[in-house]
Amino acid sequence: SQQGEEDPQALSIQEGENATMNCSYKTSINNLQWYRQNSGRGLVHLILIRSNEREKHSGRLRVTLDTSKKSSSLLITASRAADTASYFCATDLSNDYKLSFGAGTTVTVRA
Amino acid sequence: DTGVSQDPRHKITKRGQNVTFRCDPISEHNRLYWYRQTLGQGPEFLTYFQNEAQLEKSRLLSDRFSAERPKGSFSTLEIQRTEQGDSAMYLCASSSPEAAGATYNEQFFGPGTRLTVL
Repeated sequence: SQQGEEDPQALSIQEGENATMNCSYKTSINNLQWYRQNSGRGLVHLILIRSNEREKHSGRLRVTLDTSKKSSSLLITASRAADTASYFCATDLSNDYKLSFGAGTTVTVRA
Repeated sequence: DTGVSQDPRHKITKRGQNVTFRCDPISEHNRLYWYRQTLGQGPEFLTYFQNEAQLEKSRLLSDRFSAERPKGSFSTLEIQRTEQGDSAMYLCASSSPEAAGATYNEQFFGPGTRLTVL
């Protein structure tokens, strides 16, 4: 079974708009990571947030983590057509190095 | 290019045949992972190696599946007597969480091998 669950399952936005997706998980974590996957390809690491961090930025990406609610959010600002992809959160459980992924959010950015 | 590579990228086989996939990790990475991803789902962990030692296997890895990492470099994943339910994308990733400057367990993924069992 998968640890994380993303919401929404799919998102369609206009170029230039912001995209927000959420991830909820079930057990305590060491860190949480977000990955992007373009259609039929491998995953690309976007950002990692540790369990003792609350917010992190990387370029147009902003990630928050609320360990009390066991949830995280990924915000992509000023979206571009190239941001069209599936986005997955992955949790790294304490003392485990394997990642547990959610089912992903499919983002479509319309030109 | 020094990223993770996988071969082949696509494999079509008939039910009952054996298939083998190869993964070449980033050269200095000591950890190597195999994941399986079915359509519309996120990757699911199958197994991982630290150097040549296979440290953990998921319950998803039935006895028809075997993985090796001889000499702690490349890895192979073999599926014997394939079934239609084995059709999926098989992803390999590597990491080196103990390396100086490493960002915890950031994993670097290969492009995947898409398996279709007819």
